[in-house]
Amino acid sequence: DQQVKQNSPSLSVQEGRISILNCDYTNSMFDYFLWYKKYPAEGPTFLISISSIKDKNEDGRFTVFLNKSAKHLSLHIVPSQPGDSAVYFCAAGTSGTYKYIFGTGTRLKVLA
Amino acid sequence: NAGVTQTPKFQVLKTGQSMTLQCAQDMNHNSMYWYRQDPGMGLRLIYYSASEGTTDKGEVPNGYNVSRLNKREFSLRLESAAPSQTSVYFCASSLSDGRAGELFFGEGSRLTVL
Repeated sequence: DQQVKQNSPSLSVQEGRISILNCDYTNSMFDYFLWYKKYPAEGPTFLISISSIKDKNEDGRFTVFLNKSAKHLSLHIVPSQPGDSAVYFCAAGTSGTYKYIFGTGTRLKVLA
Repeated sequence: NAGVTQTPKFQVLKTGQSMTLQCAQDMNHNSMYWYRQDPGMGLRLIYYSASEGTTDKGEVPNGYNVSRLNKREFSLRLESAAPSQTSVYFCASSLSDGRAGELFFGEGSRLTVL
């Protein structure tokens, strides 16, 4: 059973517009969430995180929103740039266990 | 700054052969992880070690064994490789100092089992 789901395998966005990537989770014990970006032939790199005590966290062009009641989080990239084209993974974990489960990923393509 | 180092980067095995993937981190992190990435399946947790001396199963542990050799090193062993284990394997580490935190990943090891 997939505990962390990214239901959109791919997304295309025009340069300068907003990219919105979505992630759903089923385990209510998750209290820490992360987003990673991955380029081909490289390891995933950390983008931004959020704990369950917050509903929003911003870092430059990247904002993560958390809706605990819906068990849903989203990553907003504004403005989108061609260099943002990559696969994006969301991940969820529970404090104290240090066990992190990843979603299946969304491939973002930013069109110039 | 080496971060997380995995070896080998590429390996081809025949069905039934064994091999060990090595991982080392130089960030004094407490937790280490092994994930595999397959098309359409995302990153799936194989095993993790929350702290030195402990290991726990992840989502897909069957066919694998791990050893947390010391705080720096965490190895993944395939005793009898199968074609279903063809994948890209990523090692990661996390500080895990009582708070949840980000994982740092290695560059990956591409394994093909014929």
